[in-house]
Amino acid sequence: DVKVTQSSRYLVKRTGEKVFLECVQDMDHENMFWYRQDPGLGLRLIYFSYDVKMKEKGDIPEGYSVSREKKERFSLILESASTNQTSMYLCASKTSGDYNEQFFGPGTRLTVL
Amino acid sequence: SQQGEEDPQALSIQEGENATMNCSYKTSINNLQWYRQNSGRGLVHLILIRSNEREKHSGRLRVTLDTSKKSSSLLITASRAADTASYFCATDANSGYSTLTFGKGTMLLVSP
Repeated sequence: DVKVTQSSRYLVKRTGEKVFLECVQDMDHENMFWYRQDPGLGLRLIYFSYDVKMKEKGDIPEGYSVSREKKERFSLILESASTNQTSMYLCASKTSGDYNEQFFGPGTRLTVL
Repeated sequence: SQQGEEDPQALSIQEGENATMNCSYKTSINNLQWYRQNSGRGLVHLILIRSNEREKHSGRLRVTLDTSKKSSSLLITASRAADTASYFCATDANSGYSTLTFGKGTMLLVSP
């Protein structure tokens, strides 16, 4: 079974802190994604990566950056956390091809105080 | 940008009843997928239907796709309490990167 793991289930940070959210997948998937999920807004794509060291902006990249140094690991970085970044963050991965599903991690609930 | 929009936002039924959720979208798609999310957890893929397919079945799930109306429906037959979850449709708009655009979801409550 594909396994996507995220470094923390719950995280509490202070405004202005630098925050790292880590995601690791074990199925050699080329594509990895970061979403945030907020009540009433559904899932919104922040960034994605289709290969090592490659990254593309999603719908809401402002305030975030990403890093993909190894194929299995995709990191989301909040350079200076703000309260409006309090949210559930979900990582996903998928293999290449047009008709393949995404596999999601359990999510990280981030609270910025 | 939001592509899929689910309807209704919330649905409450009794065990054994059928649950139907609808999804509308705006642009042409390569495929449409349905996912389930149990409270506070990650999403789990349920079923994928390609743009050239009209209906697909998987166990108690039945998905239809009408590309002329840009809409899809998910039917769960003989619902169980364990089906209680949020359900999301997601569209792949064939943009080159196979990214998905998710709707806001339908929250389904199945009471024993």
